[in-house]
Amino acid sequence: DAGVIQSPRHEVTEMGQEVTLRCKPISGHDYLFWYRQTMMRGLELLIYFNNNVPIDDSGMPEDRFSAKMPNASFSTLKIQPSEPRDSAVYFCASSFRGERNEQFFGPGTRLTVL
Amino acid sequence: KQEVTQIPAALSVPEGENLVLNCSFTDSAIYNLQWFRQDPGKGLTSLLLIQSSQREQTSGRLNASLDKSSGRSTLYIAASQPGDSATYLCAVLNSGYSTLTFGKGTMLLVSP
Repeated sequence: DAGVIQSPRHEVTEMGQEVTLRCKPISGHDYLFWYRQTMMRGLELLIYFNNNVPIDDSGMPEDRFSAKMPNASFSTLKIQPSEPRDSAVYFCASSFRGERNEQFFGPGTRLTVL
Repeated sequence: KQEVTQIPAALSVPEGENLVLNCSFTDSAIYNLQWFRQDPGKGLTSLLLIQSSQREQTSGRLNASLDKSSGRSTLYIAASQPGDSATYLCAVLNSGYSTLTFGKGTMLLVSP
């Protein structure tokens, strides 16, 4: 398996623009997570899905953030409109609800909002 | 709310030293604990996963221990090498949830 795939790897945009981050989880995994990493706050969970259904979005900072999972192999995280304080690395992770419940992380998307 | 603390925040050692990284958590009702490695500008690589019923896990020069009752875990790295330089993150999977709570990490530098 190729692991968790994220695109783009880097995104530079201007304030006010819409940004869409994409994630393909590991095949067969039933959980998908979106995290954000900043120097100040470390790694924070934004939202997670189970079987394509959003379970907990309490970590989503504002209404400007939205996430979807239309099928088991694809998820998006959208920021509209983007602001400079959204600059961070966004990670997607997936796991299978089995004995180990081990999460596997993608390479991340480095977002810079100017 | 679960909180995870890692000490020290940064560590610099000469090559060949054995070292210990510490992780503590406030809620002992955890399902498992994972240690990750993160290289600069890269993603997270899982190093070791310890189930709540286990005491330790070993992989090569790495050994992770878990004392759930005291809310502590340690990552022991034997005979450190410059290639071990990275940030090491501890994360706990909370019982009843699927969410990981991360520490802020320990930045390790091993000098030749």
